[in-house]
Amino acid sequence: AQSVAQPEDQVNVAEGNPLTVKCTYSVSGNPYLFWYVQYPNRGLQFLLKYITGDNLVKGSYGFEAEFNKSQTSFHLKKPSALVSDSALYFCAVRDYSSASKIIFGSGTRLSIRP
Amino acid sequence: AAGVIQSPRHLIKEKRETATLKCYPIPRHDTVYWYQQGPGQDPQFLISFYEKMQSDKGSIPDRFSAQQFSDYHSELNMSSLELGDSALYFCASSQRTGGINTEAFFGQGTRLTVV
Repeated sequence: AQSVAQPEDQVNVAEGNPLTVKCTYSVSGNPYLFWYVQYPNRGLQFLLKYITGDNLVKGSYGFEAEFNKSQTSFHLKKPSALVSDSALYFCAVRDYSSASKIIFGSGTRLSIRP
Repeated sequence: AAGVIQSPRHLIKEKRETATLKCYPIPRHDTVYWYQQGPGQDPQFLISFYEKMQSDKGSIPDRFSAQQFSDYHSELNMSSLELGDSALYFCASSQRTGGINTEAFFGQGTRLTVV
């Protein structure tokens, strides 16, 4: 069975500082990994994905994520946080062998203070 | 660019009533997913369809059913509504390329309130 863990319910960062939102995964086969962002009462917006290739993937709004197979992690990062980055972030995984469903982590609320 | 369209955006129903949620996927997307997100919860996978056939099933109650039509739009039918069904319901779509689905794109959701 596939699963995703986001160990931090909340991450607080000062504007201009780097941010990291953590994610670890568990799948039986090769993972497809995603990050989504959710603003209040809105849908989930796709940020970036890892399918294969370079371990560092770049996405929307200056976000990037690093795939680490040995640590089964896919942490989301941004070099310089903006107040507008404050939102709920979900890590998600799709098992290559289970082509249909995407499983989400519990979410991490990112709060950027001015 | 066209996005996933869900209707209605808001719905208020009484207990034991029925509700139908509609989803119009991004053009040329062949896979549709339904998710339920309770307050402060992560999205829970309900069911998915590929080329109008059910492809995967998650924690969808027996009171709920869904289908994908010939034009690829999908409907989630919910009967005997309970207070606990109050949630945000998301539809998402993706395109299977080379036998593989990658990322899914989500609609704005339907907020269902059962009173």
